[in-house]
Amino acid sequence: DAKTTQPPSMDCAEGRAANLPCNHSTISGNEYVYWYRQIHSQGPQYIIHGLKNNETNEMASLIITEDRKSSTLILPHATLRDTAVYYCIVRVGSNTDKLIFGTGTRLQVFP
Amino acid sequence: EPEVTQTPSHQVTQMGQEVILRCVPISNHLYFYWYRQILGQKVEFLVSFYNNEISEKSEIFDDQFSVERPDGSNFTLKIRSTKLEDSAMYFCASRAVRGDGYTFGSGTRLTVV
Repeated sequence: DAKTTQPPSMDCAEGRAANLPCNHSTISGNEYVYWYRQIHSQGPQYIIHGLKNNETNEMASLIITEDRKSSTLILPHATLRDTAVYYCIVRVGSNTDKLIFGTGTRLQVFP
Repeated sequence: EPEVTQTPSHQVTQMGQEVILRCVPISNHLYFYWYRQILGQKVEFLVSFYNNEISEKSEIFDDQFSVERPDGSNFTLKIRSTKLEDSAMYFCASRAVRGDGYTFGSGTRLTVV
């Protein structure tokens, strides 16, 4: 299983871009990178996922390096409501679709 | 926006009692899951369910646990004889096709006393 490494915590000023890094150096060719977040004790919320190319949706952008060993989630204009734990997850294997959650990055957005 | 609905939001039960946690996944979704999160710990996979059968389960999902999709809309998790260590938030999730992101429910907080 490809494992991910994320910083335990980050701060970001409201209105600024939040750039959350993730290392997944053992990722295999058919594994996607997923990002979820969890606000307080709510259910995790899907943000975005990608395989090779950069992806963008209404919530965020995902930048994946060419060698796919790392990625960055970008929240372009962070708000206080973006304060949460952000999880970078590599989908485990090709025959299973369970998500293995790590400890994530606790993002604190401050005024 | 479609939601995964879980009931109840909080359940307190006595040790040894059976509990059933209920979930209504998004209507056109085909893959269903249960996860749990013990207070202060990671979110843990319990079981995945597709085509009316379990497709994968974790070591946590022992004989005390079972899942069912009795009527094509509800998806339930049953714990036959609850233990103190079963106290956790239980999250149901669903998705339409493999590769999509999951939609999680808001969870049921189970407290075993």
